[in-house]
Amino acid sequence: NAGVTQTPKFQVLKTGQSMTLQCAQDMNHEYMSWYRQDPGMGLRLIHYSVGAGITDQGEVPNGYNVSRSTTEDFPLRLLSAAPSQTSVYFCASSFTGGDFSEAFFGQGTRLTVV
Amino acid sequence: AQSVTQLDSHVSVSEGTPVLLRCNYSSSYSPSLFWYVQHPNKGLQLLLKYTSAATLVKGINGFEAEFKKSETSFHLTKPSAHMSDAAEYFCVVRAGDDYKLSFGAGTTVTVRA
Repeated sequence: NAGVTQTPKFQVLKTGQSMTLQCAQDMNHEYMSWYRQDPGMGLRLIHYSVGAGITDQGEVPNGYNVSRSTTEDFPLRLLSAAPSQTSVYFCASSFTGGDFSEAFFGQGTRLTVV
Repeated sequence: AQSVTQLDSHVSVSEGTPVLLRCNYSSSYSPSLFWYVQHPNKGLQLLLKYTSAATLVKGINGFEAEFKKSETSFHLTKPSAHMSDAAEYFCVVRAGDDYKLSFGAGTTVTVRA
């Protein structure tokens, strides 16, 4: 059981480049989300999805796009990378049933924009 | 709306002594509360979660947390710190039915030999 898998683990981009961060889960979770982690700020929600075909914005969505064509996959696209997007990105998934379903996290993608 | 405040950004303890990480929350609904741990360059691992069955919650690796509704707190404790407890700890709240998580800023734990 792989859980939540993120690729790549590390990436360096030049300003203005675009890329896609991949996230896949094999637990049949309905809810998936993307967070960025910056020092002293905890994790902040970028985008989330409650099921295939349904996405919505989180706290810090600017500069990012998402889509959810299948239950398993939830890619995050950086449209035109900026140095302010240098961060560690985490994908998470959870069931939507029950009040106490915990989130499962991937290992993270460390992105540097130069 | 919901939010989390972790009262200490850094905690340093000696090996074998107790650890206390403080967390206060605010929520318009009855919250779900979690503690996660992140070891260096790793993902987040669930330590424990509040499920409303009991106010004292036991988690992995000897950690436990007490939910106090009157104080809106969910402090994490461990009786005896181990070197492997050196990590960053996040208090997390989820309220209502939208499944969004709100994270505290994190507490970095250092364990001295």
